[in-house]
Amino acid sequence: GNSVTQMEGPVTLSEEAFLTINCTYTATGYPSLFWYVQYPGEGLQLLLKATKADDKGSNKGFEATYRKETTSFHLEKGSVQVSDSAVYFCALSRNNAGNNRKLIWGLGTSLAVNP
Amino acid sequence: KAGVTQTPRYLIKTRGQQVTLSCSPISGHRSVSWYQQTPGQGLQFLFEYFSETQRNKGNFPGRFSGRQFSNSRSEMNVSTLELGDSALYLCASRSGTLDGELFFGEGSRLTVL
Repeated sequence: GNSVTQMEGPVTLSEEAFLTINCTYTATGYPSLFWYVQYPGEGLQLLLKATKADDKGSNKGFEATYRKETTSFHLEKGSVQVSDSAVYFCALSRNNAGNNRKLIWGLGTSLAVNP
Repeated sequence: KAGVTQTPRYLIKTRGQQVTLSCSPISGHRSVSWYQQTPGQGLQFLFEYFSETQRNKGNFPGRFSGRQFSNSRSEMNVSTLELGDSALYLCASRSGTLDGELFFGEGSRLTVL
């Protein structure tokens, strides 16, 4: 079936370090891929997305490239800040019956950035 | 415009009770989804409503139910509460059901004693 696998956290980095959070997926067809972020005490918000192979989503210094050959959508940032401390969720969107789309979520990866 | 509003933000119940949570979507959004978030299970999809009709359903027992009103506001109900129902319940809205960005509320944190 369709699934999303994220690297387990927590991930702890020092400020200005390079960040990679791995995400791989299993899906039929051509799903859309998303990264959502949940800051402490808040709901989730969309960070970036990619809708077709080789697309690169980017926002707030974060990037992720839709790699169909490796079924991956790894999240990267060149220099993290303390304010990036949050939980990051990878998700895919696939067609469901009735031509509406259902999101399938990874378990989330907690990131803590120390000053 | 105002974001997704969930009420109540926090509540404490005892086993066997029932609870109703409310969600007001962003104005103009017709789709409302509900999720249960726990440390061990992550984010689990409960159901999605669009124009008062349930369009998708997750793998939760029948104690979990929901509905959507004509103004797109949604409620979810959990009956006969169990300790394991303690979680953050998140509501999300989007304009349609095809890849529209999800906008989440801050959640309702339920503690079952």
